[in-house]
Amino acid sequence: NAGVTQTPKFRVLKTGQSMTLLCAQDMNHEYMYWYRQDPGMGLRLIHYSVGEGTTAKGEVPDGYNVSRLKKQNFLLGLESAAPSQTSVYFCASSSTGGSGNTIYFGEGSWLTVV
Amino acid sequence: GIQVEQSPPDLILQEGANSTLRCNFSDSVNNLQWFHQNPWGQLINLFYIPSGTKQNGRLSATTVATERYSLLYISSSQTTDSGVYFCAGGGGAQKLVFGQGTRLTINP
Repeated sequence: NAGVTQTPKFRVLKTGQSMTLLCAQDMNHEYMYWYRQDPGMGLRLIHYSVGEGTTAKGEVPDGYNVSRLKKQNFLLGLESAAPSQTSVYFCASSSTGGSGNTIYFGEGSWLTVV
Repeated sequence: GIQVEQSPPDLILQEGANSTLRCNFSDSVNNLQWFHQNPWGQLINLFYIPSGTKQNGRLSATTVATERYSLLYISSSQTTDSGVYFCAGGGGAQKLVFGQGTRLTINP
């Protein structure tokens, strides 16, 4: 009963390095999301996807890119990491974007940029 | 955009106590959800409740849409209830705005 799985769980990057966070869901959900959570704050939406091959910007998209080549996977890329991107990243999915659809979250990925 | 305010920011209680968490919205919403983030960081959806009242065991939630607020009630608190409770509101799922959370600590 995997649900939403994120890899890696922890990562330390040097400023300027690149990396990709992988999110996989096994619930056949159409919608997928990437959020970041900073200390004392709620979650902020980075990018989202409403289906395979689609992506859209959320509230804080700068410095990130995403791809959804397969329905079950949603990748979040940092091309040139900055200390301001130190955060906990959560992937989530929902069956559709309708207001009544429950959002399921992954366990989070802790990223530190030094 | 919509603003979401949660209160109190922190709440410390003894096991067995009851608690009420509040969420205020700056504008009307047709999507309102409550989440629990446990001490290990895992986020679990508790309720989808744009209006009315729902109950799930010791937890219940009430949303008064006309007055733009929602309440989460926890009765007979247990240590496993500790964590951060978030409400989020907006339109579709991609338009949800999260509050800053209420950190609940239940002491044995």
